[in-house]
Amino acid sequence: DTGVSQDPRHKITKRGQNVTFRCDPISEHNRLYWYRQTLGQGPEFLTYFQNEAQLEKSRLLSDRFSAERPKGSFSTLEIQRTEQGDSAMYLCTSSSRNNEQFFGPGTRLTVL
Amino acid sequence: AQKITQTQPGMFVQEKEAVTLDCTYDTSDPSYGLFWYKQPSSGEMIFLIYQGSYDQQNATEGRYSLNFQKARKSANLVISASQLGDSAMYFCAVPHSPSPGGTSYGKLTFGQGTILTVHP
Repeated sequence: DTGVSQDPRHKITKRGQNVTFRCDPISEHNRLYWYRQTLGQGPEFLTYFQNEAQLEKSRLLSDRFSAERPKGSFSTLEIQRTEQGDSAMYLCTSSSRNNEQFFGPGTRLTVL
Repeated sequence: AQKITQTQPGMFVQEKEAVTLDCTYDTSDPSYGLFWYKQPSSGEMIFLIYQGSYDQQNATEGRYSLNFQKARKSANLVISASQLGDSAMYFCAVPHSPSPGGTSYGKLTFGQGTILTVHP
């Protein structure tokens, strides 16, 4: 399978714990995006990487959130001291030069 | 800032009938595109169709077509011959184009979505 993959697919954690999600984009894609989607809403942009450089962060990305793409390939999204409001689907996409973005299956986070 | 509006929270259609899902957008980008995605209950986001703002003809892709009215800033999705498997959430989205010196190329702004239910 050469699509975008995300791991884990589901994560249940207790409030206050740290969680880390991984995204593996399509190998030749240099652009990588993270989005967050809450129930019944459209996805909202979190952050954008071009190769290893994080070029944009949304205001939604509080200090508890950090994202990396150290070698310009896979990316990780970490949430520290999780809160119940962090419960959402976290979507990763990748694209090349044109606008089409390919979505991963998402990581569904539940904070108890 | 871009704004995408989908005014229909939910739509119902009989199997084999056609249905139109509305989307209006507000963007200052002179050159833009518009995507439609389908999201079943499993959560995956499935690309359906793309319309470029300078495309002369409405985009079509199998049973999916766009009613693109540039002057009205609307790009409604038409699904013909609905199937039970079409039941899902549908989103329209517009990508940002780079502003001079900007770095937000490609990030998508989504509408609120429309839940489509196809009845047998």
